[in-house]
Amino acid sequence: SAVISQKPSRDICQRGTSLTIQCQVDSQVTMMFWYRQQPGQSLTLIATANQGSEATYESGFVIDKFPISRPNLTFSTLTVSNMSPEDSSIYLCSVDGQYNEQFFGPGTRLTVL
Amino acid sequence: EDQVTQSPEALRLQEGESSSLNCSYTVSGLRGLFWYRQDPGKGPEFLFTLYSAGEEKEKERLKATLTKKESFLHITAPKPEDSATYLCAVQPTQGAQKLVFGQGTRLTINP
Repeated sequence: SAVISQKPSRDICQRGTSLTIQCQVDSQVTMMFWYRQQPGQSLTLIATANQGSEATYESGFVIDKFPISRPNLTFSTLTVSNMSPEDSSIYLCSVDGQYNEQFFGPGTRLTVL
Repeated sequence: EDQVTQSPEALRLQEGESSSLNCSYTVSGLRGLFWYRQDPGKGPEFLFTLYSAGEEKEKERLKATLTKKESFLHITAPKPEDSATYLCAVQPTQGAQKLVFGQGTRLTINP
């Protein structure tokens, strides 16, 4: 399975600011995914990021709020823009495996004050 | 709408006391059903993939089974280190490999 790292591991931000989360994989992967896990909740897919194309967003998530970059096959970023306390969550990236499974990074714990 | 419901929400067992976790799902077409383990402050750890009804997978004290409407995660003679939240997810045939997760079962094994 791929080894996935995320930066930062946690952050505390002021409302109205933006935070960019990085996801790095130790091998080339086709698809990368960004999920949100709100306190006490399960994981919800934000968007799917393929290299060389625009990210595909799930219902309820928009590019202006969560812009995503995928410059190569081992790296992606998710920006949480114009943050509010409701954006306080754990943000997780994942990558596709050989048999449709997904492998997850350790997550970024975001608190917005 | 694709939906996953896990029960119970929380389960507390004594060490060695076997039990099962349930995952009920509604999906237009099933590409796969996945079980994950999540420890506090960490990302989900992949456990199993099940593709069709009747399939079973085993790993140490865990066995996952699948029917057309639900999956079970059986835990045999659990140890305290099995304490974690167990997540079930389905991957519909439509859509680019997205996973739809249940709320999870928080399992605590007391020594």
